[in-house]
Amino acid sequence: EIVLTQSPGTLSLSPGERATLSCRASQTISSNYLAWYRQKPGQAPRLLIYGASSRATGIPDRFSGSGSGTDFTLTISRLEPEDFVVYYCQQYVNSPHTFGQGTKVEI
Amino acid sequence: QLQLQESGPGLVKPWETLSLTCTVSGGSISSSSYYWGWIRQPPGKGLEWIGSIYYSGSTFYNPSLQSRVTMSVDTSKKQFSLKLSSVTAADTAVYYCARQDYYVSSGSLDYWGQGTLVTVSS
Repeated sequence: EIVLTQSPGTLSLSPGERATLSCRASQTISSNYLAWYRQKPGQAPRLLIYGASSRATGIPDRFSGSGSGTDFTLTISRLEPEDFVVYYCQQYVNSPHTFGQGTKVEI
Repeated sequence: QLQLQESGPGLVKPWETLSLTCTVSGGSISSSSYYWGWIRQPPGKGLEWIGSIYYSGSTFYNPSLQSRVTMSVDTSKKQFSLKLSSVTAADTAVYYCARQDYYVSSGSLDYWGQGTLVTVSS
């Protein structure tokens, strides 16, 4: 099983600042089958990034993904108020399709 | 616009079987481009992928749950289902159904239901 470790656990920033979230895999994720999701309180997760760097439909360009192999990054260039929620990475190259433990972005 | 909706009992007794159904609307469940998955989230915790099913009935499950999980699909009703047997309090969670897209992204979860809370308690 591929274990995904997200860091930091909590990120304290202000609106307008840049956020950098990390996701490290216990083994290489081939073909960059790595996704990022945002989850607002009481809601289902929403797909932000797939294939490590491709934005999903309707996702604003302030969200970007990068990385390969075992190290991946989600960057939010300018934080909006609705961005202060929890983010998860997920690998879908090997079964089980594991998630990271989440990073909470707080004000 | 594709929509998914979970349904089923919100309370299950210990050692009984949890049964949930996901109804798909606004799109086809029989497309060759998608699998249909279940994910759960215990209160205040992270996400756990349970497994996925293809419209043909082909499945793959999380090995940690495989002995207790059964998934099925009914294409005529545009529904897929989850059964989890011998539940304990550790299975208390919000259960989500989702579409797993293999056409564009090779497997990310691009549409989700709103989730349904299932509590295991006597």
